[in-house]
Amino acid sequence: GESVGLHLPTLSVQEGDNSIINCAYSNSASDYFIWYKQESGKGPQFIIDIRSNMDKRQGQRVTVLLNKTVKHLSLQIAATQPGDSAVYFCAEIEGSGTYKYIFGTGTRLKVLA
Amino acid sequence: DARVTQTPRHKVTEMGQEVTMRCQPILGHNTVFWYRQTMMQGLELLAYFRNRAPLDDSGMPKDRFSAEMPDATLATLKIQPSEPRDSAVYFCASGLRTGFGNTIYFGEGSWLTVV
Repeated sequence: GESVGLHLPTLSVQEGDNSIINCAYSNSASDYFIWYKQESGKGPQFIIDIRSNMDKRQGQRVTVLLNKTVKHLSLQIAATQPGDSAVYFCAEIEGSGTYKYIFGTGTRLKVLA
Repeated sequence: DARVTQTPRHKVTEMGQEVTMRCQPILGHNTVFWYRQTMMQGLELLAYFRNRAPLDDSGMPKDRFSAEMPDATLATLKIQPSEPRDSAVYFCASGLRTGFGNTIYFGEGSWLTVV
């Protein structure tokens, strides 16, 4: 179920620690961003989204930060759990009238017990 | 929980055979997407429908792939004839534009192996 090529960047985090997953997006005109989680053998699962007029948005145990100056998006997971182990990737979309999502290459999160 | 449903979940077929994948989008969603995911290419958009009308199928090999929405509850992706290079996971996704954004939700995928 991996969404990327052979060399996925991997982040290893101790259970209970916080995780920060980063994404550099490509289009300065993108105005909507989504983080997806993909577990092995499953489809991408929506986690959280953010609009370009926001810097931060919080969900349950997750926070997305957006830095438009450097075109950078991050996903913070608090108190990482074994069930958080998956591939995470960001998606950007430009404008409300378009439908073409640009997906990032993904980061594999490994939670160590 | 409302979800996108795809069938079959797994399919192994011989080269040259026809393959049909089906998708039931989330009720009320007016946009439907077909994506293909491989290790090397990641997620590739194959086709996009809005209100059942195909708006973009530029990502599909036209000679062998076709996508349709016979009704609002069914989207199909057909490959005929199939080739080994078509082996991949095919995801259907559906979405609805809200005041916040165009969030799309994926199904669990159809894992296709062409031998």
